[in-house]
Amino acid sequence: ETGVTQSPTHLIKTRGQQVTLRCSSQSGHNTVSWYQQALGQGPQFIFQYYREEENGRGNFPPRFSGLQFPNYSSELNVNALELDDSALYLCASSSKIDSGPSYNSPLHFGNGTRLTVT
Amino acid sequence: KNEVEQSPQNLTAQEGEFITINCSYSVGISALHWLQQHPGGGIVSLFMLSSGKKKHGRLIATINIQEKHSSLHITASHPRDSAVYICAVQASGSRLTFGEGTQLTVNP
Repeated sequence: ETGVTQSPTHLIKTRGQQVTLRCSSQSGHNTVSWYQQALGQGPQFIFQYYREEENGRGNFPPRFSGLQFPNYSSELNVNALELDDSALYLCASSSKIDSGPSYNSPLHFGNGTRLTVT
Repeated sequence: KNEVEQSPQNLTAQEGEFITINCSYSVGISALHWLQQHPGGGIVSLFMLSSGKKKHGRLIATINIQEKHSSLHITASHPRDSAVYICAVQASGSRLTFGEGTQLTVNP
């Protein structure tokens, strides 16, 4: 079974630019969540995708958007980058029970993408 | 007040000591997760639990739903246990809310 992989591992962008981060989910998982972790803090929920549709969103502006593809891989797009967007971006895949809100598997996290905005 | 509070923030122990990390939360949850994060950033899921107790090797996690409290215990701690341990709760719905983490350092 393959794990969760994220690319790139590190990225440096300039304020105002746009960035796309990628995540390949654990095989068999239908749900992917994205998190932002600033230095020294716990991760903050950005949004979750389930079967290619957004299924919950945290307190992040619309310039944070995402996609989930039929193979359950996912992208996080951030437009008009700001200095405060510098953080570790983590994705996590899991398997959600279709009939309810619960997961039937623990979360599997990728190693993250370290984004630096200058 | 954060929805998820962990204590202590930092913990230093000697190899072999018994370690406890606590997590309190203020919302109704469907599950609680204990996660381990190493300096490189990667996060490993240690436990997902909604009641009672789970054990995996030297790690034990307990949860008291009525008291909205969970503990992570490490027996016979080892320097390789040094990491940040994060408690995260899943309320009804999809999102996880994370604690700030506990930085554990185990000295040889």
